[in-house]
Amino acid sequence: EDQVTQSPEALRLQEGESSSLNCSYTVSGLRGLFWYRQDPGKGPEFLFTLYSAGEEKEKERLKATLTKKESFLHITAPKPEDSATYLCAVYNGNQFYFGTGTSLTVIP
Amino acid sequence: KAGVTQTPRYLIKTRGQQVTLSCSPISGHRSVSWYQQTPGQGLQFLFEYFSETQRNKGNFPGRFSGRQFSNSRSEMNVSTLELGDSALYLCASSFTSGSWLGTGELFFGEGSRLTVL
Repeated sequence: EDQVTQSPEALRLQEGESSSLNCSYTVSGLRGLFWYRQDPGKGPEFLFTLYSAGEEKEKERLKATLTKKESFLHITAPKPEDSATYLCAVYNGNQFYFGTGTSLTVIP
Repeated sequence: KAGVTQTPRYLIKTRGQQVTLSCSPISGHRSVSWYQQTPGQGLQFLFEYFSETQRNKGNFPGRFSGRQFSNSRSEMNVSTLELGDSALYLCASSFTSGSWLGTGELFFGEGSRLTVL
C-alpha cells in the first residue's frame, strides 16, 4: 500500500536553529515526491518536486533531498515566517498520497 | 492571475443532509482534484476530473461524488452527511494530468470547511 509518514509531528525551533524534517514513503512506482507548505486557514502551497534518488532542490532557507526510501526538508537558520505545516506527498502515476505533516514553530 | 476559488468557505449541516461544494480552477487548468483534510488523517484523495471525465477515485464511499463542467469548474457532493464528514475540503487544479512530466505542482484553493452536527 502506498503511504507517506512524516516526522516529527511538531517541531519548535529558536530563530536561527537549523533542523530537518523527515518524510518516509512506500510507493509502487514513484513518479515524484513533493513538498508543500500550509499556513493556517490556507490551502497547501507548492515548494519542491524531486524525481529520483540523489536529487536536491533549494529555495531560500529550505533544501529538499531524496533517497530511495525517504526525503528530508532541511531548514537552515529559520525565521519566524517559516512557521507553518510542511506536507510531503508522493505521486504514483494515478494519485497523490500525502503525509499528515510536520507543524513547525520558529520562536523569535 | 486568479487562483483557485472554492465556495462556500464555511458551512454547517446536520446529519442526514447533503452538501454541494464548488471549485473554480485557475484559468486554463483542465484538471481538478478534491481532497479531504482532517487532523488525524491528513489530506486524503477523493477524486480527480480531467476534461469532464473522472480520471481517478480515492477510497471513499459512494456518498461522495463529483463532476466537472465544460469550463473546468467542478462540484463535489456529499449525501447523507455523517459526523465523520466534518473536515476541510480542498480543491486543487493543474494544467494537465496523468503521466505529465512537469513540476507536479498542484494549485490549491483555501478550502471549504464543513461542520456536521
